[in-house]
Amino acid sequence: EAGVTQFPSHSVIEKGQTVTLRCDPISGHDNLYWYRRVMGKEIKFLLHFVKESKQDESGMPNNRFLAERTGGTYSTLKVQPAELEDSGVYFCASSLGGTFKNIQYFGAGTRLSVL
Amino acid sequence: AQTVTQSQPEMSVQEAETVTLSCTYDTSESDYYLFWYKQPPSRQMILVIRQEAYKQQNATENRFSVNFQKAAKSFSLKISDSQLGDAAMYFCAYRSAQETSGSRLTFGEGTQLTVNP
Repeated sequence: EAGVTQFPSHSVIEKGQTVTLRCDPISGHDNLYWYRRVMGKEIKFLLHFVKESKQDESGMPNNRFLAERTGGTYSTLKVQPAELEDSGVYFCASSLGGTFKNIQYFGAGTRLSVL
Repeated sequence: AQTVTQSQPEMSVQEAETVTLSCTYDTSESDYYLFWYKQPPSRQMILVIRQEAYKQQNATENRFSVNFQKAAKSFSLKISDSQLGDAAMYFCAYRSAQETSGSRLTFGEGTQLTVNP
């Protein structure tokens, strides 16, 4: 069974440009999460989808970040325009619902470098 | 708000030896979950072990075990018989059991573990 996959693994862009990160969750997982780790700090929650709906987006830093999950399958996270402080590793995770909801399976992350 | 602290940015251990990674957390909740995740370089972050706060018995998974001290809000990870493949960044994480708190994980800053041959 395929795990959570993220694309690209690494992206280097200039300040002011747009970048779109993609996450493919484990098949059948209704819950999808985005997190990021900035400058070697702790990993911080960004938002949580249940199917195609945003359940909790309280961690999104500002309106330059837009997350979508079309059809409740894969998700994209767009940063527009990117700023220097957006550099970091963006993780995606997915989980089943119900009693298994507390086990989140993570991807390898996308390393974003904004120059 | 809950916080998780890992006070050891880096740790090293000799192969076949035992190492303990520290984690403390702060919460006012009585029911929650605690996790240790491991991320090898450029690879997926994987769940190592988890603990439900209502269980007094410490969780174990093969060579990995935890020392869960609820009153002290401490959740350390012990790796026995360390292997080269254990080298990774280890993250401690907290999740509330209350549905109103959402499903988010709160992480510590991580501990980079090096295993020396």
